[in-house]
Amino acid sequence: AQTVTQSQPEMSVQEAETVTLSCTYDTSESDYYLFWYKQPPSRQMILVIRQEAYKQQNATENRFSVNFQKAAKSFSLKISDSQLGDAAMYFCALEYSGAGSYQLTFGKGTKLSVIP
Amino acid sequence: DTGVSQDPRHKITKRGQNVTFRCDPISEHNRLYWYRQTLGQGPEFLTYFQNEAQLEKSRLLSDRFSAERPKGSFSTLEIQRTEQGDSAMYLCASSFNAEAFFGQGTRLTVV
Repeated sequence: AQTVTQSQPEMSVQEAETVTLSCTYDTSESDYYLFWYKQPPSRQMILVIRQEAYKQQNATENRFSVNFQKAAKSFSLKISDSQLGDAAMYFCALEYSGAGSYQLTFGKGTKLSVIP
Repeated sequence: DTGVSQDPRHKITKRGQNVTFRCDPISEHNRLYWYRQTLGQGPEFLTYFQNEAQLEKSRLLSDRFSAERPKGSFSTLEIQRTEQGDSAMYLCASSFNAEAFFGQGTRLTVV
């Protein structure tokens, strides 16, 4: 079974500053994907960034980057130059395709507030 | 294509009533998922379809829950004899590869 743990229920950041959201996970598999999803209030969940476990290079998407430490089973999200629109719930998720379903296992989420 | 759409967005029902939700995935996506999200929690997997075949169901999906995906297009999720514990956001997602796209969800309130 896979588990995902987000130990920060809430975080806040000043506009234009940098914030890092933490995520740890547990899986016995060697081939999997990791994701960060953003869920704004009353809006649908959207993908922020993804990381393939077999890739050593950390993924980057514009202001969003990850620090993937496979041995430590850690997958943190760094948001640079934070903007008001970044305020949302952020979910870390793991996907294992070995069982064939590609289902996602989510953490409980981190609520990010951006202070003007 | 406008993405994954779900209907209705909100549903209030009395305990014991049956409810049905609909999900229209992105048209070229062969995989469709249902998740349930309660307050303060991340989404939890309920069931998965590849085309029209329901290939996996979570232990969370009691026998009061049934899902279908006729012809591998839209999907319905029915809850029979609703209970207050069924109150949650029901999310549908679809994918073609490793990236899932989510709908806005149906918020169910059982009173």
